Amino acid sequence: EAEVAQSPRYKITEKSQAVAFWCDPISGHATLYWYRQILGQGPELLVQFQDESVVDDSQLPKDRFSAERLKGVDSTLKIQPAELGDSAMYLCASSLAGTGVSEAFFGQGTRLTVV
Amino acid sequence: AQSVTQLGSHVSVSEGALVLLRCNYSSSVPPYLFWYVQYPNQGLQLLLKYTTGATLVKGINGFEAEFKKSETSFHLTKPSAHMSDAAEYFCAVTSASGQAGTALIFGKGTTLSVSS
Repeated sequence: EAEVAQSPRYKITEKSQAVAFWCDPISGHATLYWYRQILGQGPELLVQFQDESVVDDSQLPKDRFSAERLKGVDSTLKIQPAELGDSAMYLCASSLAGTGVSEAFFGQGTRLTVV
Repeated sequence: AQSVTQLGSHVSVSEGALVLLRCNYSSSVPPYLFWYVQYPNQGLQLLLKYTTGATLVKGINGFEAEFKKSETSFHLTKPSAHMSDAAEYFCAVTSASGQAGTALIFGKGTTLSVSS
């Protein structure tokens, strides 16, 4: 069964360091999402891609966060420098199209701890 | 703008009892509504969704939900809880536009505990 792959599963980093997460969506899925889930909260959208283009990054803290999907397939989310408040689960999801018409499939996430 | 409110951050039931998780939404356009389940340190798995048509939707693991437009609700139910149902449940909404810019907006979640 096709899955959304994310790595690493767990990451511990010191504040002010750089950290990166990788996501490989289900093959053929044009839409890719990065969500941040703080402990005890629901996921919040950081950025949405349609192929290689950013559709929505209004909630992405652009002073420290960046995201790219250069070839419209896999994607990388970077934080530089990391802050204590960035500790959270970072979830990647993909869908054939927008979630209004097709199901979004989620990866297992990357649990980030900033110390 | 769209939003979701899940009433009750924690629900506890006995095994075999009815499960009822409440979700109310706000949307200025026709909504698509979803319920997801999340087990510890895992991603989210879709339980069921409402798009159009029948307002009572059935999902996996015996769960179902009913879309009530007049009450702006989409409550999740299961007639008989099982120990394996213990998890975090999220209600989500998106707009029914079908366009690329339709990401899910999630509620804060409800933790379901099941006791024997």
